[in-house]
Amino acid sequence: DAKTTQPNSMESNEEEPVHLPCNHSTISGTDYIHWYRQLPSQGPEYVIHGLTSNVNNRMASLAIAEDRKSSTLILHRATLRDAAVYYCILSMEYGNKLVFGAGTILRVKS
Amino acid sequence: NAGVTQTPKFQVLKTGQSMTLQCAQDMNHEYMSWYRQDPGMGLRLIHYSVGAGITDQGEVPNGYNVSRSTTEDFPLRLLSAAPSQTSVYFCASSYWDRGTDTQYFGPGTRLTVL
Repeated sequence: DAKTTQPNSMESNEEEPVHLPCNHSTISGTDYIHWYRQLPSQGPEYVIHGLTSNVNNRMASLAIAEDRKSSTLILHRATLRDAAVYYCILSMEYGNKLVFGAGTILRVKS
Repeated sequence: NAGVTQTPKFQVLKTGQSMTLQCAQDMNHEYMSWYRQDPGMGLRLIHYSVGAGITDQGEVPNGYNVSRSTTEDFPLRLLSAAPSQTSVYFCASSYWDRGTDTQYFGPGTRLTVL
């Protein structure tokens, strides 16, 4: 499985945008980039995923580098509720097993 | 929809005891999986199923059994509990979306083995 590298932790101010980086230099052409987050004492929650093009949904935006070796999860206005561990994961086909790394702990200050 | 439900929420076992963690989903998802999460770590895949009657091993399957007799249910059985199995267990189900699958996770079961 291709691996991802994320910073251990990041801090943001409430109401400001947050850019969470992820490096995946060994990504293959069929790997999708997934982001999940895990709030304290809860199960992981799907955030967004993409293959080559940038993606937007109601929770966040995903910016994918042209060479696909890195990506950035963008939270447009961080709230206290966004404080969580964010996981960047690569996966291939349907039903493929997700391999979770340690993720990035996001702290949001009021 | 209730989504993915897990029971029990908490469980304490003694070494050597067996038990079954229950997982159910009402979204008609074909794919279901079990993960464990140890303190400060990411999730690790135990077993998964791509449909009723079909199961396979994940990264850490030793000490666990699964079966999938219906689309809705995917129980995880601990055969003989050991302290090393103290962990939080998450069940997930997934559906196909834009070329890959999106997983929905349950709230977890916190298991302590004494």
